[in-house]
Amino acid sequence: AQSVAQPEDQVNVAEGNPLTVKCTYSVSGNPYLFWYVQYPNRGLQFLLKYITGDNLVKGSYGFEAEFNKSQTSFHLKKPSALVSDSALYFCAVRDTSNTGGFKTIFGAGTRLFVKA
Amino acid sequence: IAGITQAPTSQILAAGRRMTLRCTQDMRHNAMYWYRQDLGLGLRLIHYSNTAGTTGKGEVPDGYSVSRANTDDFPLTLASAVPSQTSVYFCASSPTSVATGELFFGEGSRLTVL
Repeated sequence: AQSVAQPEDQVNVAEGNPLTVKCTYSVSGNPYLFWYVQYPNRGLQFLLKYITGDNLVKGSYGFEAEFNKSQTSFHLKKPSALVSDSALYFCAVRDTSNTGGFKTIFGAGTRLFVKA
Repeated sequence: IAGITQAPTSQILAAGRRMTLRCTQDMRHNAMYWYRQDLGLGLRLIHYSNTAGTTGKGEVPDGYSVSRANTDDFPLTLASAVPSQTSVYFCASSPTSVATGELFFGEGSRLTVL
């Protein structure tokens, strides 16, 4: 079965410092991986995705993610954090095992807190 | 602005009552989904629809039903609400039902069942 793990409930980082939000996955077949962000009382917004090709994927708001097949990881990164990056971040994997529908499976989420 | 509209944004409901959460999209996306978000559990899929006229069950379908009469609308019905259905519900859509498409989310419907 496909699954996603986000080992950290919360990540704290000072503004201007690099940030990493961790994600590991378990899939059968090709991994289609996504990151979403959720601001308070809002719906989720798509940040970036890995489908194939370059292991370093660039997305919205200066975020990027590195796909590592050997470590089955897809960590979200940003070189310099902003206070406005404080939000809830979800890693997700597309379940391709069921031909009845390509459902998206989400991790439990990691809350990022950027301190000024 | 194109997107997904959910209604109501918030509702308090007595246990045993019937409730329908509405979801409408104007992006002509084929696939639509209903998720519930609970603290510490992330988002869990309730039901999905790959195209108008078809629906399927997700991880937590019990107590919920959906219909997809047309491309734009995907209502979620709780036939007899129970307190464990207290949650924030998100409707989402995707341009196609293939694996590479990202999801577009509505703003959510917060439901409290007493």
